[in-house]
Amino acid sequence: DAKTTQPTSMDCAEGRAANLPCNHSTISGNEYVYWYRQIHSQGPQYIIHGLKNNETNEMASLIITEDRKSSTLILPHATLRDTAVYYCIVRVESGNTPLVFGKGTRLSVIA
Amino acid sequence: GAVVSQHPSRVICKSGTSVKIECRSLDFQATTMFWYRQFPKQSLMLMATSNEGSKATYEQGVEKDKFLINHASLTLSTLTVTSAHPEDSSFYICSARGRDFSYEQYFGPGTRLTVT
Repeated sequence: DAKTTQPTSMDCAEGRAANLPCNHSTISGNEYVYWYRQIHSQGPQYIIHGLKNNETNEMASLIITEDRKSSTLILPHATLRDTAVYYCIVRVESGNTPLVFGKGTRLSVIA
Repeated sequence: GAVVSQHPSRVICKSGTSVKIECRSLDFQATTMFWYRQFPKQSLMLMATSNEGSKATYEQGVEKDKFLINHASLTLSTLTVTSAHPEDSSFYICSARGRDFSYEQYFGPGTRLTVT
């Protein structure tokens, strides 16, 4: 079972920042927060992951609260191509367990 | 990141026939491969996990005799849907993991199976 809770859907205006929240109140000390997205009829795409520090890469930023019970994925300047379902997943980094997907958040970027 | 391919991208087959889906890791050796299934407007559901050279481990509710998984090499895994029925119509996605990319999980583009 997925250990995260995300809003079902969100809208964002093109060019604005998209902030996608995720609750993971039962996260364990050795579990990381991973974010993937799935554009319609494609395989999931890795975005970013982190343990407790904030992380940034060319796609997004990940903000994790100090108690690690929630996080926010930030797409700084959303484009129409960012319309997708975004999945927040917690798991041990590079562990033997596979990624378990919850229902995710359907982000719609609007022109 | 690592590249995972699937073939075919789409397949239509008649009820009662079998269909094989291939999953390849193109630039790394996949010690573990995963198969997921996704029905319309639903999330990905893990079907099975396979380690190279070993029998696959199936999730509860997935029939191992119906969904045959072979992981005979470090770059290829196949999923065969035997005696397909319309309810097997779905989007099948494979994922691979290997030492070369720190055992992170990478996904293929998916295969759309339609059983008529």
